[in-house]
Amino acid sequence: RKEVEQDPGPFNVPEGATVAFNCTYSNSASQSFFWYRQDCRKEPKLLMSVYSSGNEDGRFTAQLNRASQYISLLIRDSKLSDSATYLCVVPKTSYDKVIFGPGTSLSVIP
Amino acid sequence: NAGVTQTPKFRVLKTGQSMTLLCAQDMNHEYMYWYRQDPGMGLRLIHYSVGEGTTAKGEVPDGYNVSRLKKQNFLLGLESAAPSQTSVYFCASSPPGQGVRGYTFGSGTRLTVV
Repeated sequence: RKEVEQDPGPFNVPEGATVAFNCTYSNSASQSFFWYRQDCRKEPKLLMSVYSSGNEDGRFTAQLNRASQYISLLIRDSKLSDSATYLCVVPKTSYDKVIFGPGTSLSVIP
Repeated sequence: NAGVTQTPKFRVLKTGQSMTLLCAQDMNHEYMYWYRQDPGMGLRLIHYSVGEGTTAKGEVPDGYNVSRLKKQNFLLGLESAAPSQTSVYFCASSPPGQGVRGYTFGSGTRLTVV
């Protein structure tokens, strides 16, 4: 099993739809998780952290399921500007050593 | 504010040629990193530095060398380029203790080795 796995997509959804991505990880000792967003041919940027209790930021909700070892990202009321690749980030051994998932591509269609 | 600047933005190399990628940050960050990103794969850490004069190997260091002679600059060198090194290279910097939460990425260097 790979250390971090994501469904590559692409997810093609209409504007206003709700979409969810999962990211599975193999290291059960991992503590801190993050979602990054990467626009086409741009650098990745931090979207949000994933806390044990979940984390919500506007239309975005991140959840952690330790028992099943996955994190999720839910986007409500999708906008055209949400079109991007979403990377999950899982710590490896310490705060400064992380694994980036391969990303899930989202296209929001008018 | 410039943040993290990478030069060059694009480069085509012939197999066996050498080159140096420059990463410069103006945020006084202690930590700097070099990643490569290939289709279908996540960003993979090549080398990193936790301070001026120090460097360490990451996940995929073979074929690359780095130097951090000044705090604000982190150089990535390819001594003898190979087609397998065709990739997009991202530099990042962060303050100590924040890990990936504190990353600032550069805009990337697209390298093609023919």
